[in-house]
Formats: sequence, C-alpha cells, structure tokens
Amino acid sequence: AQTVTQSQPEMSVQEAETVTLSCTYDTSENNYYLFWYKQPPSRQMILVIRQEAYKQQNATENRFSVNFQKAAKSFSLKISDSQLGDTAMYFCASHNYGQNFVFGPGTRLSVLP
Amino acid sequence: EPEVTQTPSHQVTQMGQEVILHCVPISNHLYFYWYRQILGQKVEFLVSFYNNEISEKSEIFDDQFSVERPDGSNFTLKIRSTKLEDSAMYFCASSEPTGQGPGELFFGEGSRLTVL
Repeated sequence: AQTVTQSQPEMSVQEAETVTLSCTYDTSENNYYLFWYKQPPSRQMILVIRQEAYKQQNATENRFSVNFQKAAKSFSLKISDSQLGDTAMYFCASHNYGQNFVFGPGTRLSVLP
Repeated sequence: EPEVTQTPSHQVTQMGQEVILHCVPISNHLYFYWYRQILGQKVEFLVSFYNNEISEKSEIFDDQFSVERPDGSNFTLKIRSTKLEDSAMYFCASSEPTGQGPGELFFGEGSRLTVL
C-alpha cells in the first residue's frame, strides 16, 4: 500500500525568503509519480509540480523545485522568493501506475509580509 | 482552459436525506475520481472510475455511496441517507491517460456538503 507522510503541519516564511516542505512516501512499486498540489484558502487544488520516479533529474517549475531522493523515499518542495500568494495548504501525493493517488495530510504554509 | 466543474458549490441537507453531487470532468479525460476533505483534515480518496465502472474504492465508499456517469459528460456522486459525519468538501477530479495509467489530476472547486 502507498503511504505519504508530511511531518510539518504548519510552516511560515517571510516574503522573498526560501522555504522547504518535507514529504516522505512509501511504495513497493518501481513505476510511480510524485506530485505537490497547492490548495489556497477556500479554493480548489492545483498542481504545483510533478516528478516521474524514473527520472533522476529534479523537477523545477519557476520558483518551485523538488529534491527527489528515491532511495530515501523523500520528495521535498522548495519554494524560492516566497510570495504572499503562496500562502496555502500544500499536499504531497503519490501515484503508482494502475493504482490510486494517495495524498499526505498537508502542510499549511503562511507567507508573512 | 478546460476545467472540471462541480455543482452545487454548497448543499445543506437534513440527516437521512439523499444528496447528489454533480461533476463535469474535462472532456477528453477518461479517469474520474471523488475525494473528500473534512474541514481542516486530509484529502481522502473515495472512488475512481474508468471505462464505465468503478476501478477502485476506499473503505469510506460503502453502500451509502454510489457513482454514475449517466450521459457521457456528467459524473455524479450519490450519498444515500446522509449522516452528520458526511459533512465535508467533496472534490471531483479527472485525468487523461498517459500510456502509463492516469496523468495529473485536475480538480474541481469542490462541493461543500453540510448535514444538519
């Protein structure tokens, strides 16, 4: 069974600073995908970044990047130059090929002015 | 940009009543999902649907729940005899095939269900 753990229920960061959100997962599969989703207050979840497990290179999307450590089953999200609009719940998720998406419990990030 | 749409945005119902939540997935997507999120808690998987049948369901998705794709565009979640603990935000999601199963999940804005 897949499990996803996010050990930081809440975090805060000063505007323009960098913050890293942690995620660990457990799977017995070789083919899987990892995702970070953002859920602003009272809004739908949107994809921030995805990583295919077979790719060694860490995914990046503008100010967002991941540190994917496959052996350690770790998938952290780094947000550079934090902006007020980054304030949201962030969910780490894993998806095994042919199976369901599993979400972690979320990290509530507050960007402070 | 294509999006997943959900109606109603908020539904209030009396305990014991039946509720139907509606979703219109993105048109070329083939995988459909319902998730729920009790206020302040994690996102929980309910059910996935592919090729006109349930492909996977969680322990939460018991006989009280059912899903249907009645007309090729809508994807509905029916909750029979609602209970107080069914109060939550219900998210519909869809994804397109990538050759290795579902791709990225696209979520709707959610339907908030309040059971009194």
